[in-house]
Amino acid sequence: QLQLQESGPGLVKPSETLSLMCTVSGGSISSSNYYWGWIRQPPGKGLEWIGSIYYTGTIEYNPSLKNRLTISVDTSKKQFSLKLTSVTAADTAVYYCARSAVVWYFDLWGRGALVTVSS
Amino acid sequence: DIQMTQSPSSVSASVGDRVTITCRASQDIYSSWLAWYQQKPGKAPKLLIYTVSTLQSGVPSRFSGSGSGTDFTLTISSLQPEDFATYYCQQTNTFPLTFGGGTKVEVK
Repeated sequence: QLQLQESGPGLVKPSETLSLMCTVSGGSISSSNYYWGWIRQPPGKGLEWIGSIYYTGTIEYNPSLKNRLTISVDTSKKQFSLKLTSVTAADTAVYYCARSAVVWYFDLWGRGALVTVSS
Repeated sequence: DIQMTQSPSSVSASVGDRVTITCRASQDIYSSWLAWYQQKPGKAPKLLIYTVSTLQSGVPSRFSGSGSGTDFTLTISSLQPEDFATYYCQQTNTFPLTFGGGTKVEVK
């Protein structure tokens, strides 16, 4: 059974870079049917799509974050990653990694990782 | 960006009630490109419905979705205790993908 697991620091200082990894287990990251995405949720608020990547490296970014954002994939390690630069308190959120079909709904989610931006 | 507006933002209901949640898109997303999720506190969202009305595997048939164009609904035909949660719609038609603000279904 395929599972996703986020990992990374839970605390990041303002102006620094937030880095998270998502590890795929129990299945392939190189499926032609799926993209791998990041979604975040500030405490007590709604969901925001960050971006999604295909195993070949094709990426779709949310334009609101694009100039600070890097998403990459390592198929040999079955991992994909998120880097968000120049973070502020507004980037404090639970970050989820998720799988989406090519029609862009998210059918499998990780448990989420809370990242707090604070000095 | 396509803005997704859900109403109501919260609803109080009892077990056995019929609950309807509305999601309105700021522009036409045609007849297929909408999904619904359920989220419980401290948990990741769970996909309920995709392409407007297709039930995800394992989701009870008391959940149903309908709509087209800009107006969509999620209906719970007979609310069960495990259905108290927050529900989100998501448009899958255009980048950036966007979600509604959520509807919290609370105990009356």
